[in-house]
Amino acid sequence: NAGVTQTPKFQVLKTGQSMTLQCAQDMNHEYMSWYRQDPGMGLRLIHYSVGAGITDQGEVPNGYNVSRSTTEDFPLRLLSAAPSQTSVYFCASSYDMQRTYEQYFGPGTRLTVT
Amino acid sequence: KQEVTQIPAALSVPEGENLVLNCSFTDSAIYNLQWFRQDPGKGLTSLLLIQSSQREQTSGRLNASLDKSSGRSTLYIAASQPGDSATYLCAVNTDKLIFGTGTRLQVFP
Repeated sequence: NAGVTQTPKFQVLKTGQSMTLQCAQDMNHEYMSWYRQDPGMGLRLIHYSVGAGITDQGEVPNGYNVSRSTTEDFPLRLLSAAPSQTSVYFCASSYDMQRTYEQYFGPGTRLTVT
Repeated sequence: KQEVTQIPAALSVPEGENLVLNCSFTDSAIYNLQWFRQDPGKGLTSLLLIQSSQREQTSGRLNASLDKSSGRSTLYIAASQPGDSATYLCAVNTDKLIFGTGTRLQVFP
């Protein structure tokens, strides 16, 4: 049981480049989400999904796209990277957000946009 | 809009002290509250999850309480150790997790 895995661990992009951050979980969790963590700002929700085929926006969705074609995977796409997207990105999963289950977090992806 | 505040922002204590970390939130309509630990450069590790109907949860030297009506939770760490040094985050679940900015704890020998 690998839990929540994220790739890559580190990434450097130039402004305007696109990339996909990968997230996978092997716990059969329905709920998955992406957060970014910035100094002094805490963790902020970017996008989330309550099941395959269903996604919704969080607090800071601009500049990011997501899709959920399977229960296991929830990739985050940066369409045209900007320096403001320099951050640490965390993926999380849970059985069901509205019930009693705790959230599990991946190890994070540290992204720098120059 | 739900807001979560953690006080203090940083804390430095000698080994062996009992300590309390505070978390407050503005909207009491929550499903649960979760405490996390984050080591530098690492992800979040769940410590305790308190359901909205519960008053407290315990795990080893950790005890978390929840007073939903007053919008407060505390994390009590007994007999602190240098290995407890980390940032502690609380998050309230309102069908999304809303995080506080954390308390950075340093326990020195």
